[in-house]
Amino acid sequence: QVQLQESGPGLVKPSETLSLTCTVSSGSITNYYWSWIRQAPGKGLEWIGNIYYSGSTKYNPSLKSRVTISVDTSQNQLSLKLSSVTAADTAVYYCARDRSAWYYFDFWGRGTLVTVSS
Amino acid sequence: QSVLTQPPSVSAAPGQKVTISCSGSSSNIGSNYVSWYQHLPGTAPKLLIYENYNRPSGIPDRFSGSKSGASVTLGITGLQTGDEADYYCGTWDSSLSARVFGGGTKLTVL
Repeated sequence: QVQLQESGPGLVKPSETLSLTCTVSSGSITNYYWSWIRQAPGKGLEWIGNIYYSGSTKYNPSLKSRVTISVDTSQNQLSLKLSSVTAADTAVYYCARDRSAWYYFDFWGRGTLVTVSS
Repeated sequence: QSVLTQPPSVSAAPGQKVTISCSGSSSNIGSNYVSWYQHLPGTAPKLLIYENYNRPSGIPDRFSGSKSGASVTLGITGLQTGDEADYYCGTWDSSLSARVFGGGTKLTVL
């Protein structure tokens, strides 16, 4: 069973860049798409974007100008960078394996809370 | 405001059946596959239904999905206290060029 684990700073200052890593275990990152999804307190899920193992990306237009997703196949990891953060970016951030052609996510991490505050 | 509309909450007694609706438009549910997720806070969301009505291995047949036009429904029979969770629908929106979700429905098993 594929397992995903998000990691990174739990506190980021306003205007700085949020950086998270997702480590994939018990399975290869190769041949799949991988997504980042977030959930702000009291809100629903919001898709941030995805990446194919080869490096091609697709971002949510609402966040596109601030998002960079990358992949390191040698480490079986994907990364998220979100620039110029504000309090509105405070959320639990999840990574998930993305069955993109059929529009579903079959394995998720437990998520990591990132708070934007000075 | 979520693109897909779900009721904020539903409830039913143990052993009973409940349905959770998710409505959208022709640019999302009406033209793309829909999936459903179960989420207990602090845990990884779990895929319950994919491609409108298919269940992954390990998901009991108490969970079912159906679709009609631009709406989908998740059905849960034989409710158990362990089913108490938040449930989300999700799909692709061709107009927004983004994956979209419902706002989530909190299921309470009384």
